[in-house]
Formats: sequence, C-alpha cells, structure tokens
Amino acid sequence: QVQLVQSGAEVKKPGASVKVSCKASGYTFTGYYIHWVRQAPGQGLEWMGWINPNSGGTNYAQNFQGRLTMTRDTSISTAYMELSRLTSDDTAVYYCARAPPEDKPSYWGPGTLVTVSS
Amino acid sequence: QSALTQPASVSGSPGQSITISCTGTSSDVGGYILVSWYQQHPGKAPRLMIYEGNKRPSGISNRFSGSKSGNTASLIISGLQAEDAADYYCCSYAGSSTWVFGGGTKLTVL
Repeated sequence: QVQLVQSGAEVKKPGASVKVSCKASGYTFTGYYIHWVRQAPGQGLEWMGWINPNSGGTNYAQNFQGRLTMTRDTSISTAYMELSRLTSDDTAVYYCARAPPEDKPSYWGPGTLVTVSS
Repeated sequence: QSALTQPASVSGSPGQSITISCTGTSSDVGGYILVSWYQQHPGKAPRLMIYEGNKRPSGISNRFSGSKSGNTASLIISGLQAEDAADYYCCSYAGSSTWVFGGGTKLTVL
C-alpha cells in the first residue's frame, strides 16, 4: 500500500534552515510528483511547490522563490524540502503529498511540525 | 496567487444537505476543470474527496459531490453525518503548473 513517511518535528532558530524528508513506499517513486503543502497553526493550506522525482524538475510557488529547494534521492525513494532564512511565520506543519504528473495532490503524508522560535 | 475564497463556516443537521462554495478567478477555478476538494479532521492530514470538479476517488461516499459554475466551485454533502464534521479545502490549478488552495471551511454538524 502507498505510504509516505515524513521526518520528525524540528525546532529552529530564526534565520536558520530546515530540511524535511518524505520517504515513499508501495509504488514507483519516479512515477508520481511530490507536492509540498504547509499549514500554519489554526490556518489554511498553502501550496509550496512540487518536484518530479523522475527528472528532478521543480516548480515553486512565487511566495517561496529564492529560499525553497526541493530535491530527491531516487535510490531511497525519498523527497526533500529545504526552506531557508526561517522566520516565525514559517512555523507550520509541512505535508508532502503524492500526485500524478501535472495533477493535484492526492495522497498525503502525516505532516512534519516545524517550529521557528528564538 | 491569492487564496481561493471559501466561507469560514457552514453548519447543518444530520440528514440535511449543505453546500460549500469556492470562488476564484478566470485564471484558476474558472479557467480549468482541475478543482479538487479535501477533508481534514483535526490533527490529521487532508484527504482527497472530489477531483476534476465532480469525480470521487475510490472509497469516497456518493454523498459527496461537486459542481462548478463560472469562477465558483461547490462541494455538496448530502445526508449529513456526524463524521462529516471537519475542515474542507478547495484546490484549483492556477496555470504554469501551479496550484492554489482555498482558505478552508469549518463544517459543523449540529
């Protein structure tokens, strides 16, 4: 069965970077995109971007241009989301979600809480 | 991109039907069939309920349906049940391989 396992909660200081992983199993990793979506406490969902694990190609939301990097390691079926220059506004649960190519997020991981605090 | 506009909350009694709207622009909701809806219970990950406007993934009850008119998409839940109480989010393709979510709607089953 399809599974997305995300890395554990993180606490970071303002100005630091965070890297969250998303390990896929139960399907062909390179056959589906991985989207990243975040949710600040008590707030709605915010689309961040996607990575095509097959080619490594990415597309980021304009709000994150310049400080967001998505990568993947196909040998271990894992996608990564790295966000730099963190501020308190980046405190959120970060979700990875599988999607057919050029399609909406369909199957979601459990989320990773990232807390930014001095 | 600006978030799609959803009502903050809706409510209904068991057995009733409710509709949640999702308003965008001709650059997102109005321009594509790729509108989806997600259900999220507290502390849980979102779950896909409707895609391409009115299609249901396997395992989703036919009490859930979707529609679209112009720049507004709608999620309709009929025969409300207690377990339908959750937050609901719409999501639309917004061109250039980007996606945008709505602000979310809290559904209360009275």
